[in-house]
Amino acid sequence: DTGVSQDPRHKITKRGQNVTFRCDPISEHNRLYWYRQTLGQGPEFLTYFQNEAQLEKSRLLSDRFSAERPKGSFSTLEIQRTEQGDSAMYLCASTASGGYTFGSGTRLTVV
Amino acid sequence: QKEVEQNSGPLSVPEGAIASLNCTYSDRGSQSFFWYRQYSGKSPELIMSIYSNGDKEDGRFTAQLNKASQYVSLLIRDSQPSDSATYLCAVGDSNYQLIWGAGTKLIIKP
Repeated sequence: DTGVSQDPRHKITKRGQNVTFRCDPISEHNRLYWYRQTLGQGPEFLTYFQNEAQLEKSRLLSDRFSAERPKGSFSTLEIQRTEQGDSAMYLCASTASGGYTFGSGTRLTVV
Repeated sequence: QKEVEQNSGPLSVPEGAIASLNCTYSDRGSQSFFWYRQYSGKSPELIMSIYSNGDKEDGRFTAQLNKASQYVSLLIRDSQPSDSATYLCAVGDSNYQLIWGAGTKLIIKP
């Protein structure tokens, strides 16, 4: 296993379009996290899964955001009706316990 | 509200000197502490973890934890230009949830 994989690496979309990102965690990690990061800030928590169960969502997460982890393996994050303020790096991380391992991230630009 | 505070910097250190990065946290129930390095445009990379009071050394890096003072630090000895990055402090609770600082930008000057 080579680590946490995220796809795509970059996404440019027009305002109002829907986008979906994928994360493949390290196989033995049962916890998976989604974060958003903008320039000069630390990662901002969005949501996390333990196996297939979504256990917590940030109250900052609007109803345009949804995440799934259908079989407790890979996860998807969808943003509907994108806005320019959604432009950021979207990071996925996984862990069994302790420190998180991050993927390379998906950089979203909404134009 | 659980918080992790870091000086945003930039912290400028001459090559070969010791860089000292500091972090304070608000939740006394915190159980795990991590330092991540993040290069511009890249994702965070775990460099140190510490769980008990005292020092933990790994190569040129030393993490120091003082739970009574709610303080964790990272020392980088013999600083190299390749150490120039943003260093993120993250503090974990009993549910493995991490609270993140905004990071300190470190610049190593040749």
